[in-house]
Amino acid sequence: DSGVTQTPKHLITATGQRVTLRCSPRSGDLSVYWYQQSLDQGLQFLIQYYNGEERAKGNILERFSAQQFPDLHSELNLSSLELGDSALYFCASSVVGGANTGELFFGEGSRLTVL
Amino acid sequence: AQSVAQPEDQVNVAEGNPLTVKCTYSVSGNPYLFWYVQYPNRGLQFLLKYITGDNLVKGSYGFEAEFNKSQTSFHLKKPSALVSDSALYFCAVRATDTGFQKLVFGTGTRLLVSP
Repeated sequence: DSGVTQTPKHLITATGQRVTLRCSPRSGDLSVYWYQQSLDQGLQFLIQYYNGEERAKGNILERFSAQQFPDLHSELNLSSLELGDSALYFCASSVVGGANTGELFFGEGSRLTVL
Repeated sequence: AQSVAQPEDQVNVAEGNPLTVKCTYSVSGNPYLFWYVQYPNRGLQFLLKYITGDNLVKGSYGFEAEFNKSQTSFHLKKPSALVSDSALYFCAVRATDTGFQKLVFGTGTRLLVSP
């Protein structure tokens, strides 16, 4: 158990809909990262938050947004969903965003299926 | 930009035989390199990392990795494979973006250990 909790584990929805994925980092971790894993794209970095502020942005679509709340949990919002958004979405956390040596702790993921 | 490449989609090895999963990297400056493992329906788990020092890094579950600067490689190895080692293995490099680090992952290599 990594200590990172993601909900829901599975989600099935229709095209055009909006969903919210939730992540609770390990106790004491200030940084949260979101990754998307799909069969054809591999593991893609989406976005990183550190203590409530956005710190790094990757291949995140404009239809997607995220935030980190004062209690350090994070949410990834996906809107106007398309079939191609079907993927496994991972949240990871680490102790600090700037000085750590890079070890991330991953949740078990939220599997999104868009029909 | 920092990146890693995993040239093999799949590696097949018989139980008890040594295994190698290949990774090459491209970075500016000193590389921070990592290996993660993903078991079915699970999140990624940290195996080992190279920051500096000894070129042979030992990690979890009997795995080790050899850093080779001249060949820009960081291959994952294990002297004697187990069926339970069958999983998806990811090489990663730490990339710096606006002063904050993120991990950039390779495309993954599926390891299949046969009894």
